[in-house]
Amino acid sequence: QKEVEQDPGPLSVPEGAIVSLNCTYSNSAFQYFMWYRQYSRKGPELLMYTYSSGNKEDGRFTAQVDKSSKYISLFIRDSQPSDSATYLCAMSDGLTGGGNKLTFGTGTQLKVEL
Amino acid sequence: EPEVTQTPSHQVTQMGQEVILRCVPISNHLYFYWYRQILGQKVEFLVSFYNNEISEKSEIFDDQFSVERPDGSNFTLKIRSTKLEDSAMYFCASIGTGGGQPQHFGDGTRLSIL
Repeated sequence: QKEVEQDPGPLSVPEGAIVSLNCTYSNSAFQYFMWYRQYSRKGPELLMYTYSSGNKEDGRFTAQVDKSSKYISLFIRDSQPSDSATYLCAMSDGLTGGGNKLTFGTGTQLKVEL
Repeated sequence: EPEVTQTPSHQVTQMGQEVILRCVPISNHLYFYWYRQILGQKVEFLVSFYNNEISEKSEIFDDQFSVERPDGSNFTLKIRSTKLEDSAMYFCASIGTGGGQPQHFGDGTRLSIL
């Protein structure tokens, strides 16, 4: 079983749609959860960061963490063509690698169409 | 906003040659990381570096790899004798504190081994 599983997509939605992106994980030690956005040939850009279970909202983005189900989600409201990118979930246990070693999902490719 | 900068953006090297990838982390950051992303695959942890020593390394980071912080601003990854399978994007990341904080990534160096 992979440590972090993420549907690679591609996911295609019309402009204005609500997008739901998800990851599941197997390591119960993970307690820090991040979503990164990655454009082609660029580095991961931090979008959202949450600790433990719960919700966090930032503008059009909402991150949810359900540690009991080992399931995290990112919701994008009013999606725009500029949101077209690959979305990576990443997580850490806060202890290994200086506390910050990240384990990534494979990324979901999102395309928002006009 | 402070950035992690990486040079070169693209490096082409003959198999068996040594290559050095360079990174300038965000000023005042104390933890430094290298990750690798083979085309079409997930971002993978290579090594973490703190207080002038490796704090953790993955099984990918074998004897052919080394890291160094030669001065107060640069952080380098050296591959001694490159192999075809070393072709990938290499990302540097840094963070100010430990304990699960999100990392800031550079835009990467695309390494092509011929």
